[in-house]
Amino acid sequence: QSALTQPASVSGSPGQSITISCTGTSSDVGGYNYVSWYQQYPGKAPKLMIYEVTNRPSGVPDRFSGSKSGNTASLTITGLQAEDEADYYCSSYTNSNTRVFGGGTKLTVL
Amino acid sequence: EVQVVESGGNLVQPGGSLRLSCAASGFIFSNNWMSWVRQAPGKGLEWVANIKQDGSEKYYVDSVKGRFTISRDNAKNSLYLQMNSLRAEDTAVYYCATGGTTWGHWGQGTLVTVSS
Repeated sequence: QSALTQPASVSGSPGQSITISCTGTSSDVGGYNYVSWYQQYPGKAPKLMIYEVTNRPSGVPDRFSGSKSGNTASLTITGLQAEDEADYYCSSYTNSNTRVFGGGTKLTVL
Repeated sequence: EVQVVESGGNLVQPGGSLRLSCAASGFIFSNNWMSWVRQAPGKGLEWVANIKQDGSEKYYVDSVKGRFTISRDNAKNSLYLQMNSLRAEDTAVYYCATGGTTWGHWGQGTLVTVSS
């Protein structure tokens, strides 16, 4: 049950686009379309932003999108805003019927 | 409005036990998988366990197998986590979340501190 691999940090200026990667294996990310993404502000509970690779829950801005290629999933935020500064986590179903998170990525809006 | 509220977190000595509870409202609890996710201080999220709607299937992260037990009472709209043989590395905020694989709603978390 190794954690998925995410960059520790990414940054971008307001209005720009950023992408956060989430790399696993064929036993998790690559084998199933059950990748989701969560946003977390300091001291707060996580919030679901993307589920099943590409789907956005109601209320999540369409600036947030998800994709997957092979064993790597990605979260893209376009038109970056100051309020997007937070930690982001990916998660995936695994072939041992467990779930695994990525280590988290701190997004800084410059 | 969907709400999940955790309780039961506390300071406990290594080797001790603790039972966390999660009270759910605003949705049909018995129709949903439920999960526990934890976050150690300053660290990332870690999935701990989940349980099927009727309690017939339960899954755990390896590090808690044999020590933690997830359960639910659909009549009381409640989820539980019995934690035994606690270790320092179990220190974390424990979140209750709706769903088994995608976690749509989260509680505010309850802090478990394992220390002598």
